[in-house]
Amino acid sequence: EDKVVQSPLSLVVHEGDTVTLNCSYEVTNFRSLLWYKQEKKAPTFLFMLTSSGIEKKSGRLSSILDKKELFSILNITATQTGDSAVYLCAGMNNNDMRFGAGTRLTVKP
Amino acid sequence: GAGVSQTPSNKVTEKGKYVELRCDPISGHTALYWYRQSLGQGPEFLIYFQGTGAADDSGLPNDRFFAVRPEGSVSTLKIQRTERGDSAVYLCASSLIFSGEQFFGPGTRLTVL
Repeated sequence: EDKVVQSPLSLVVHEGDTVTLNCSYEVTNFRSLLWYKQEKKAPTFLFMLTSSGIEKKSGRLSSILDKKELFSILNITATQTGDSAVYLCAGMNNNDMRFGAGTRLTVKP
Repeated sequence: GAGVSQTPSNKVTEKGKYVELRCDPISGHTALYWYRQSLGQGPEFLIYFQGTGAADDSGLPNDRFFAVRPEGSVSTLKIQRTERGDSAVYLCASSLIFSGEQFFGPGTRLTVL
């Protein structure tokens, strides 16, 4: 059965810290891995990763995919209180996306 | 431009009732997805439309759940004989093509009493 597992489930850091969020996946006919940030109801898109070893960056956020070991990481440097959210990863195949349970990040001032 | 919209934002109903949840995707997006999210969990895939047809409905939990997209734009998720376990946030997303970035709506919080 396909599954996506994220760790840690929750994380509390202080402003300025760097965090690494983990996502491992087992998805049949895997195509891409996606990261989302969810603050209230609607997840907002962060990254789509299709190729192994190519880092994607957006400001203080970066992510990379390892298709051999079946995992991805999301890094956030110099964290800010506005980064507090649930971060979701999802594995996509030809038919659907399977989400992990998310990592709840809390950034304290 | 307008994003994905969902109505109602909140719906409270009694066990056994019928409910309809509406999703209005971004104009021009051919792919539309429904997810269900319970507290503390990631979104759970329900069904995906490509145009008017349901390309994959394998995530629908049982035959009480049904979704339509008759004109390839607006979609309605229909739940018959609601049960308390149906209580969740129902999220809709759309993308230009299936493999593209999905844009989520704000969700409908369904509470079955």
